[in-house]
This record gives sequence, structure tokens and C-alpha cells, in this order.
Amino acid sequence: QERLQQSGPGLVKPSQTLALSCTVFNASISSGGHYWTWIRQYPGKRLEWIGYIYYSGVTYYNPSLRSRVLISVDTSKNQFSLNLSSLTAADTAVYYCARVGAVVGIRYFDLWGQGAQVTVSS
Amino acid sequence: DIQMTQSPSSLSASVGDRVTLTCRASQNVATNVNWYQQISGGAPRLLIYASSTLQTGVPSRFSGSGGGTDFTLTISSLQREDFATYFCQQTYYSTWTFGQGTTVEI
Repeated sequence: QERLQQSGPGLVKPSQTLALSCTVFNASISSGGHYWTWIRQYPGKRLEWIGYIYYSGVTYYNPSLRSRVLISVDTSKNQFSLNLSSLTAADTAVYYCARVGAVVGIRYFDLWGQGAQVTVSS
Repeated sequence: DIQMTQSPSSLSASVGDRVTLTCRASQNVATNVNWYQQISGGAPRLLIYASSTLQTGVPSRFSGSGGGTDFTLTISSLQREDFATYFCQQTYYSTWTFGQGTTVEI
């Protein structure tokens, strides 16, 4: 069964960089056909899309975060990663990775990781 | 960014009720709207994509409709496991956005 498994620290200090990884099981990032994406959910439950990557390395980021975000892919590990720099308390959220499916050009998130609570605090 | 506004923010219902949730986009998003269910503490789960297509494995009591700016998610007969928060999402414009969610409570 396809699944996404997230890993990364739960507590990060202000001004530091968050690094999260998402490993894909029973599916291949290199097979193409999907984007791979990151989303976060604030304590009040609001969802914010962060950005996506294709296996070739092509990325697209939410303009509101573009200056601080880097999403990368490691096809040898079947894994993609999120780096978010210059953290503040406002970045405290649950971070999710997900797979982006598509039909006739309409994209949707059809497989999600388990989520990772990230708290920014000194 | 395209704003997705869901109503109501929360509602109380009973098992067996027919429930309709609405989502309005601030601009035309064609049929590029998806619906997700989130049960407390868990990751969102895709229910409906492209406005009306049921994701594999989702019960047929869930249905979606709409186009342009107005969309609905209907649960024909509410079951206990359906008490959750539901989010709509647009992927028409390049910056994908979500609604604020509707919580269905007992």
C-alpha cells in the first residue's frame, strides 16, 4: 500500500531552518505523473499550501513563502524534503507532505503523510 | 490569492441527517475544486476531486457539485464516522488555496 512517512524535528529555535523529509513507500517518485507537495496547518486549523516539486527537480512555491522555502528531491532515496528558513513563532504548525494527483489537468492531493507538529520556540 | 469561503463554519447534526456544506470562490475556478475530510488529530483525506468525482474507496453517501464560484458537498445520510472537519480547495490558479473548514458536530 502506498504511503508517505514524514520525519524531522518537532522543536526548532527562532531564526533557524526547519528541515523535514517525506519518504515514499510502494510508489516511485521517479515514475513521474505526480507532483510532491508540502502543506501546513496552523493551530486554528487553517491550511496553507507551501509548494511542490516534480521528480525532475522543477518546483513551484507559494509566493508568500518563496523567499524562505526550498523543496528538494532525492530519487535515490525516494524522498523529498522541505527547508524553511528564518523561522518565527508564526511558523508553528503541523506540516504535511502529500502526493499531487491529476485528471484532465485538475490537481488534487490524494495521498498524505501522517503530519509533523513543528513548534518554533527558544 | 483566491479566497475560498466555506459556510457554515460549524453545524450540529444527527446520524441519518442529510447535510450540505458550501464553498464559494472569490473568482471563477471552473471545476477545479476538491473536498477533504479531517478527523481530529489526523491528516486530511481526499473525498471528492474535480468538483464531483468521488475518490476511490469513499462511500457513495458523499457527493459534490458545482462550478465557477459555488460548490457544495452533500452527505446524504450522516454516519457517526462522518463527524469531522471538511475543507474545500481550489487548484485552478497557480497558488492553491483552501477554505477555512466546516466542522460537523453531533
